Amino acid sequence: ETGVTQSPTHLIKTRGQQVTLRCSSQSGHNTVSWYQQALGQGPQFIFQYYREEENGRGNFPPRFSGLQFPNYSSELNVNALELDDSALYLCASSQDGGGTVNTGELFFGEGSRLTVL
Amino acid sequence: EDQVTQSPEALRLQEGESSSLNCSYTVSGLRGLFWYRQDPGKGPEFLFTLYSAGEEKEKERLKATLTKKESFLHITAPKPEDSATYLCAVQDTGGFKTIFGAGTRLFVKA
Repeated sequence: ETGVTQSPTHLIKTRGQQVTLRCSSQSGHNTVSWYQQALGQGPQFIFQYYREEENGRGNFPPRFSGLQFPNYSSELNVNALELDDSALYLCASSQDGGGTVNTGELFFGEGSRLTVL
Repeated sequence: EDQVTQSPEALRLQEGESSSLNCSYTVSGLRGLFWYRQDPGKGPEFLFTLYSAGEEKEKERLKATLTKKESFLHITAPKPEDSATYLCAVQDTGGFKTIFGAGTRLFVKA
């Protein structure tokens, strides 16, 4: 059973640039959630994808966008990067019936550490 | 709005010194309360799910309990390898997002 994998592990960008982060979900999981974790804070929910559609969104601006592909892998795109976007970006997969059949457990990847200068 | 508050922010223990971590939560309808462990530079690792008040779960030196407003993570006779950040999270009956607390950083000294 393959776990959740994320790439890249580290990256440095400058203000105003755009970034794409990638995530492969755990085998058998159909739902992917993205979280932002600032230093010393808990993960903050960005959005969730289920069957290639956004299934829910946290308090993040539209410049944070995502995709889910037929194989359930996912991308997080952030446009017009700001200094405050510097954080660990976590992808989590789960086996979810669109929120109706769900044990709630999330399986996280190791994260992508983004630094914005 | 769903909210999770954890205390203390940091806890320093001697090896073998038992203690508890607290998680207070506010949620419109609780679907599940979760505990995760996070090591530095790593993603959180799932520990427990609790669904209803009165429920308890155990794993090695850890035991999680749940009331209608709080959850406790009891650590019995901790070892240095238990040092990590412990995150509490809730999912409401809407089911699409999990809300995390800021975590408790646990340090266990040999």
